[in-house]
Amino acid sequence: EVQLLESGGDLVQPGGSLRLSCVASGFTFAAYAMAWVRQPPGKGLEWVSAIDAPNDLTYYADSVKGRFTISRDNSENTLSLQMSSLKAEDTAVYYCAKTTTLSGRSSRSDCWGQGTLVTVSS
Amino acid sequence: QSVLTQPPSASGTPGQRVTISCSGSSSSIGANHVNWYQQLPGTAPKLLIYGDDQRPSGVPDRFSGSKSGSSASLAISGLQSEDEADYYCAAWDDSLNGAVFGGGTQLTVL
Repeated sequence: EVQLLESGGDLVQPGGSLRLSCVASGFTFAAYAMAWVRQPPGKGLEWVSAIDAPNDLTYYADSVKGRFTISRDNSENTLSLQMSSLKAEDTAVYYCAKTTTLSGRSSRSDCWGQGTLVTVSS
Repeated sequence: QSVLTQPPSASGTPGQRVTISCSGSSSSIGANHVNWYQQLPGTAPKLLIYGDDQRPSGVPDRFSGSKSGSSASLAISGLQSEDEADYYCAAWDDSLNGAVFGGGTQLTVL
């Protein structure tokens, strides 16, 4: 069974940093691009970032570019999101999502984690 | 404001057919496949339609997708109470070099 388990969500002050992790199981992690998608409380989905499978090429939404860094460790089946200079508008549930291709240039995710809540507030 | 435009709400009675529209641009829907997600209350999104009009295994054939130009639609026939959820369209946008979602449509089964 394909599973994604996120962790790392927390309450953090504006300007602070946080690192999210997503451990994958049930599929060949190294063979698929992965993505992070977030959902502010009571609002819609927003794509955040993606990373290719073969070459670690990365993609970012303009709203997080320069502040967030996506990475993957294929030996540990782990996807990470390093977030810095956090703002109140980054408050959201962050989902880890598996795509169906090698390339991160995709909006098709066939498996999602349960999400981890990041709250940015003083 | 979302790059893809969806109506915020839709409704229907059991057994009816409802459609949800998704409008984009030449760089998003006009150039790439559209995917649709269903999000039941309190749960993670689930892939409902991929590649404009394909259903993953396990998705009932009551759900169908279509695309024309820079717009796409999700149709649900034989509406059931368990279809009450939020529905999102998504596509890659070549100009933004990122994926984009619609704002979501909350479907109510009356």
